[in-house]
Amino acid sequence: DSGVTQTPKHLITATGQRVTLRCSPRSGDLSVYWYQQSLDQGLQFLIQYYNGEERAKGNILERFSAQQFPDLHSELNLSSLELGDSALYFCASSVSSGNSPLHFGNGTRLTVT
Amino acid sequence: KNEVEQSPQNLTAQEGEFITINCSYSVGISALHWLQQHPGGGIVSLFMLSSGKKKHGRLIATINIQEKHSSLHITASHPRDSAVYICARNQFYFGTGTSLTVIP
Repeated sequence: DSGVTQTPKHLITATGQRVTLRCSPRSGDLSVYWYQQSLDQGLQFLIQYYNGEERAKGNILERFSAQQFPDLHSELNLSSLELGDSALYFCASSVSSGNSPLHFGNGTRLTVT
Repeated sequence: KNEVEQSPQNLTAQEGEFITINCSYSVGISALHWLQQHPGGGIVSLFMLSSGKKKHGRLIATINIQEKHSSLHITASHPRDSAVYICARNQFYFGTGTSLTVIP
């Protein structure tokens, strides 16, 4: 058990809708990373938060946004969903903002129909 | 352009064999991560290294900073090692993974 909790595990929704994915980091970890894994592209880094502030941004679409709350949990909001957004979304946490071991949640499988 | 290249893409081995998975990257790093993704989808971090060599059980990871290359070795492979192994440059750039199947 990594100590990272992601909810929900599965999500099925229709095109054009908006969803929120939630991540609770491992106790003591201040950094949260969001990743997207689709069949044809592998793991892609979306965004990193450290202690409530955005630290790094990757290939995150403008339709997607994220935040980290004072209790350090994080939410990833996906809006105007398209079929191509169907993927596994992982969050990972680490103790620092720089390189430190990553602890992954079990992922949220999003299916857009 | 994928900055992290892994080889081979697929690997089938007999139980007990010594396995090597390679990872090359084009830009300098502060750390190289090796991850294991099980068939169910869960991802486990195996190693994070910035120099030299690390060992955990039957797994060994090495890195050569000058050559921008890292290897993951599995000694005495077992069917439970069957998984996808992914290397990552820092926390941001991922290889496409090596799918390993170990046959009893």
